[in-house]
Amino acid sequence: DAGVIQSPRHEVTEMGQEVTLRCKPISGHDYLFWYRQTMMRGLELLIYFNNNVPIDDSGMPEDRFSAKMPNASFSTLKIQPSEPRDSAVYFCASSTKNRWGLAGQETQYFGPGTRLLVL
Amino acid sequence: GQQLNQSPQSMFIQEGEDVSMNCTSSSIFNTWLWYKQDPGEGPVLLIALYKAGELTSNGRLTAQFGITRKDSFLNISASIPSDVGIYFCAGQFTGTASKLTFGTGTRLQVTL
Repeated sequence: DAGVIQSPRHEVTEMGQEVTLRCKPISGHDYLFWYRQTMMRGLELLIYFNNNVPIDDSGMPEDRFSAKMPNASFSTLKIQPSEPRDSAVYFCASSTKNRWGLAGQETQYFGPGTRLLVL
Repeated sequence: GQQLNQSPQSMFIQEGEDVSMNCTSSSIFNTWLWYKQDPGEGPVLLIALYKAGELTSNGRLTAQFGITRKDSFLNISASIPSDVGIYFCAGQFTGTASKLTFGTGTRLQVTL
C-alpha cells in the first residue's frame, strides 16, 4: 500500500512569498494531521481533520497559516506571507481507528515531510 | 505545546549492547506509542500499547505501558547499526480523540 505522500519534499523560498504544502493521506484513513518539527520545539501538532472537517487548529501559529481538506484524499497547508522563522520540516500524517474501533486509540502514519527553508 | 519527557536525550552505544529508554508524563494516557525517525524521513510507528501494564514486542524491540499510565519504556536488544535514529514516545487520551503528545526524543548512535 502507498503511504502518506507529501509534496514538495524540499522548498526554498524568500520571505514574504506564499508557500503551499500538499498531502495525500493513506486511502481509507479518516484522520489527517499536520505537524511541524524544529530542533527547538520538537514535533508540534498544527491542525487535524476528521472526515475532511477541521477538528482542532489550536496549534496553528498565527493567521499566516491556513489548512484545507477539500476531499478525503488531499490536504494543503498554506503559509502566507512566509517568514524565516517558519523554516522547519512539515509532516502530514493520517490514521483511522484501531481494530477495536475505539475513538482516541488510532495510530498515525507519517509522510516523509517537506523541508521548508525561508530566506 | 506540551511534550513528554524522554530520557536519555542521547545514547552512544556499541553494537550488540542492549538499549533502554523511557518516557514520563505528568498526565495519564490511554495509549502509548513508540516511533523511530531516520534522518530525512518521517517518524515510523514501532509499537503501540493500549492497556496499563501491557508488554509488547516487535522483533528485538520490547515496550511496556506503565502501570501508573504516566510512563512507558522501550528496550532494544542486541543493537545493530541500523538502529541509529531518533526514538519518540507519544501518548494519547481517549477524551481528546486522535491528538498525540510527543516526547522530546532519544537520539541513538551505534558504533561497530
